[in-house]
Amino acid sequence: DAEITQSPRHKITETGRQVTLACHQTWNHNNMFWYRQDLGHGLRLIHYSYGVQDTNKGEVSDGYSVSRSNTEDLPLTLESAASSQTSVYFCASSERTTGNTIYFGEGSWLTVV
Amino acid sequence: RKEVEQDPGPFNVPEGATVAFNCTYSNSASQSFFWYRQDCRKEPKLLMSVYSSGNEDGRFTAQLNRASQYISLLIRDSKLSDSATYLCAVPTVDSSYKLIFGSGTRLLVRP
Repeated sequence: DAEITQSPRHKITETGRQVTLACHQTWNHNNMFWYRQDLGHGLRLIHYSYGVQDTNKGEVSDGYSVSRSNTEDLPLTLESAASSQTSVYFCASSERTTGNTIYFGEGSWLTVV
Repeated sequence: RKEVEQDPGPFNVPEGATVAFNCTYSNSASQSFFWYRQDCRKEPKLLMSVYSSGNEDGRFTAQLNRASQYISLLIRDSKLSDSATYLCAVPTVDSSYKLIFGSGTRLLVRP
């Protein structure tokens, strides 16, 4: 079955370290997204991509970057981890059709100490 | 006004009850709307899509009120397993591919 997988599922890192969260989908979806979810804020969009070599900033992109070298993967990098980036991160994907559903990965729990 | 707003709840209802949540949105041009269910420490999963006036799937009914710019989710005959957080999502103003999510409404169904 096609799916979307994230790794690592849980990570503890130190302030200032670079961290990369992986996201891999086998649906061949063009659109991919990274959200973070925090109490009181709900799901907030960090970065998104509509295809290979396309990346765009979301509403909370500061301190994060993404790259899209193929259809299947959209890794999220925290350039210099900060305690404010402690959160659960969800990768998601969808078809390039207006109104199509977004499907989520299982999430990556990141703690920055 | 926030782009998508939901009452955080919690809604605490007995088994068998009917419960409804509303979600207001600001993008009057939206053509599609979504309800997701999220269990504790899990990812959101699609519950229902709404592309016209409404949608029904078993005990769940979603209705759209374009004039007042809200969507509702009605759950009939609540089960213990319905306990979860329900998120509504609406396409953003600048792109129909991106969704903006409400903060969710928490439902607790008690025995």
